[in-house]
Amino acid sequence: EAQVTQNPRYLITVTGKKLTVTCSQNMNHEYMSWYRQDPGLGLRQIYYSMNVEVTDKGDVPEGYKVSRKEKRNFPLILESPSPNQTSLYFCASSIPITGGHGELFFGEGSRLTVL
Amino acid sequence: GNSVTQMEGPVTLSEEAFLTINCTYTATGYPSLFWYVQYPGEGLQLLLKATKADDKGSNKGFEATYRKETTSFHLEKGSVQVSDSAVYFCALSGATGGFKTIFGAGTRLFVKA
Repeated sequence: EAQVTQNPRYLITVTGKKLTVTCSQNMNHEYMSWYRQDPGLGLRQIYYSMNVEVTDKGDVPEGYKVSRKEKRNFPLILESPSPNQTSLYFCASSIPITGGHGELFFGEGSRLTVL
Repeated sequence: GNSVTQMEGPVTLSEEAFLTINCTYTATGYPSLFWYVQYPGEGLQLLLKATKADDKGSNKGFEATYRKETTSFHLEKGSVQVSDSAVYFCALSGATGGFKTIFGAGTRLFVKA
């Protein structure tokens, strides 16, 4: 079954304690991306990756890091989480098309609370 | 910069009512336009898309037409069902600046039996 898998689905942590949210896709997609969803703001893009070792900032990259060492994996790293990073996070993947990317396939989301 | 504006919700309708959710965009270049739907507790999934002006996307009774002259991509359905209750997001990608995706704030739809 084609899918995007995120872990953990739920996490409560404390300010400053480094954490990683993993994302894996089994569709051989070149494009992967992270979003955060906050009430009234929709989804905002954090980082995206066009392929292995190619990443770029989205609209809200501050406080986050990513890496793309393998095509299927795109982990999101919070080196020193703060309460304003409490949010619902989604990973997505897609294929590139001329000038952009196609349909996004989303994971089920990771709800993060930073105390 | 590029942006997407959706009508604010929530929208509450009775079953079999007509649905319109407005979406307008600002973009340079020629973006692709999408509607995604999010059911409670789930991730987003594609509802329909259009990649060029005057294209009509359709799926599950929903339709939207890419109107470049009015920079709009309004979502419509002729007869909603309780199972259509969800949050709907309008989005664009592929405008100048390429691989970023811009989402609207989302519109929550409640359908009453």
